[in-house]
Parts: sequence; C-alpha cells; structure tokens
Amino acid sequence: NAGVTQTPKFRILKIGQSMTLQCAQDMNHNYMYWYRQDPGMGLKLIYYSVGAGITDKGEVPNGYNVSRSTTEDFPLRLELAAPSQTSVYFCASRTDRGWGTQYFGPGTRLTVL
Amino acid sequence: RKEVEQDPGPFNVPEGATVAFNCTYSNSASQSFFWYRQDCRKEPKLLMSVYSSGNEDGRFTAQLNRASQYISLLIRDSKLSDSATYLCVVNDLNNDMRFGAGTRLTVKP
Repeated sequence: NAGVTQTPKFRILKIGQSMTLQCAQDMNHNYMYWYRQDPGMGLKLIYYSVGAGITDKGEVPNGYNVSRSTTEDFPLRLELAAPSQTSVYFCASRTDRGWGTQYFGPGTRLTVL
Repeated sequence: RKEVEQDPGPFNVPEGATVAFNCTYSNSASQSFFWYRQDCRKEPKLLMSVYSSGNEDGRFTAQLNRASQYISLLIRDSKLSDSATYLCVVNDLNNDMRFGAGTRLTVKP
C-alpha cells in the first residue's frame, strides 16, 4: 500500500492564481481530512469528508473548496490564491473507528507571492 | 485561550536524559487524547494514545489528568532519534481533532 499520497510536493503561486492539491489513499478509508500547518502553529482543519459525496467545513474553510467523488480521492481547490494561504498542506485519512489514528500524506508546501 | 496549549520549547537534552512535556486543553468535554510525533519537514505520525489510567510504551509514558485538563509525555533514556516535535492532540465531542502547536525536542550527544 502506498498509504496517503499528495501532489505536488512544492508549488509557488502568484496572487490570484488557482490550483488543485491532489490527495489519494489506497486504504479504503471513508474519513479524509485536509489540514494546513503554519510555522509554529498547530494543524488547522480546512475540510473533511466522511465518505464519497459527503464533505463538510472545518475550522478554516474560507478560500478553499473540496470534492469527494470517489473513496480514494479528496482534492483541495484554492481559488484566487492569497499570501495568507502560504502554508504546508497535509491530507489525512482514517478508518471509521480509528478516531485518533490519522494517516497523513507527506504534505504540499505552497508559497503564494 | 488556545484549545490545546503546549510549551513550544525547544528542549535541548543530552542523550540518556529524562524529559517531560505537558499539554493543557480547554474543552472539559474532550473525549480522547493522543501524542503525535513530527520530524522536521515531515508529516505527523501517531506516537501513542493517552488513557485515563496512564500508559507506557517502552521508554515513553503518557498520563492524563482530566480534573486539571492536562496531558503529559515522559521520555526516559533519550536517544538522538527522539529529536522531533511532539504534538498533543485532543478529540472533542464532534470527533474533531485539535492539535497543539508542538514541543520541539533536540537530543544531543
């Protein structure tokens, strides 16, 4: 199993550009999450999904959108990138009963200039 | 007040030392508690869950004090490979995980 994979690993965007961060997992997990981690800060939940076709907002959803058309994939869309979205983005997944055990992808480092 | 607070450190200790980290949480209804480890520029990984009775995994001991709303992690006989950031994580009633900002540990030869 590859676990949770994320692409790209790094990206530099200009203000106002858009992009999609890709996340995929091959563990058949229903629960998937997107977090952002700013320097010296804890992870903040952006969006999450409890299964294909179901998504919900987390703590910091503004400026982002998600979709979940399959169990495996959970892309995060940034529209009109802003410098405040410069961060490291982590995707994670877990089993239905594994409350505390989230499996994280390697992260995407995004810089908006 | 932050939902989950940790001393950011850094903690610089020699090999073989014992080091303890504390974490406090604000939501008294929080359900479950965990310590994650994050290496530099890597993703977080679960280190251990924290149970009410306290639990041990090799050189690592985790304790929970619900009355005072704090969690601790004790590392005995520190190794160079223990150098990392340790994240305190609290699961609230909605099963949302709240992450602390982490405590950085450097173990030196």
